[in-house]
Amino acid sequence: QVQLQESGPGLVKSSQTLSVTCSVSGGSISSVGYYWSWIRQHPGKGLEWIGYIYYSGSTNYNPSLRSRVTISLDTSKNQYSLKLSSVTAADTAVYYCARGLGAVVNLHYWGQGALVTVSS
Amino acid sequence: QSALTQPASVSGSPGQSITISCTGTSNDIGSYNLVSWYQLYPGKAPKLMIYEDSKRPSGVSTRFSGSTSGNTASLTISGLQTEDEADYYCCSYAGSSTFVVFGGGTKLTVL
Repeated sequence: QVQLQESGPGLVKSSQTLSVTCSVSGGSISSVGYYWSWIRQHPGKGLEWIGYIYYSGSTNYNPSLRSRVTISLDTSKNQYSLKLSSVTAADTAVYYCARGLGAVVNLHYWGQGALVTVSS
Repeated sequence: QSALTQPASVSGSPGQSITISCTGTSNDIGSYNLVSWYQLYPGKAPKLMIYEDSKRPSGVSTRFSGSTSGNTASLTISGLQTEDEADYYCCSYAGSSTFVVFGGGTKLTVL
């Protein structure tokens, strides 16, 4: 059974870089065909797609966040990571990692989410 | 403002059927058979209920079904149960510029 688990700092200061890691168990992050995505949910709000990295290493990002987002794979640790730079209070959210197959929107497995709060 | 429009809330009684709509445009729902639906409980991992418009993942109850017509997708839950009370989000592929859009979410209350 595939499991995803986010880990993050909990609290990040405004203007700094937010980093969240997703640890994957029960399957290899290098397996062909998988999309490794990040999605966030602002407090009391809906879901927002941040971006994905394909198993091959290619990436695509939400156009509204593209200038600040980097997603990377660490195959040695079977993890992938999200970095979001120049954060503000508007980036306070629960950050989810999720695995897609067949299409980026077929998100079959999700982590439980990690709350990251941006403080001034 | 979410890209896809869902009703903020729907409600039903146990045993009844409800439908949650998800309205997009010809740039997303109307162009691709790539709508998915997710069930969210607070503090738990979101769960995929429907993918590629109408496919059900293994383990998801047959009471959940999905359909699409034009620019609108729908999630129908039949035989409502109290444990169905949750938030539901639709999601669509939106092409190679925007990629992924979500609805604003619908809170389902089972009375």
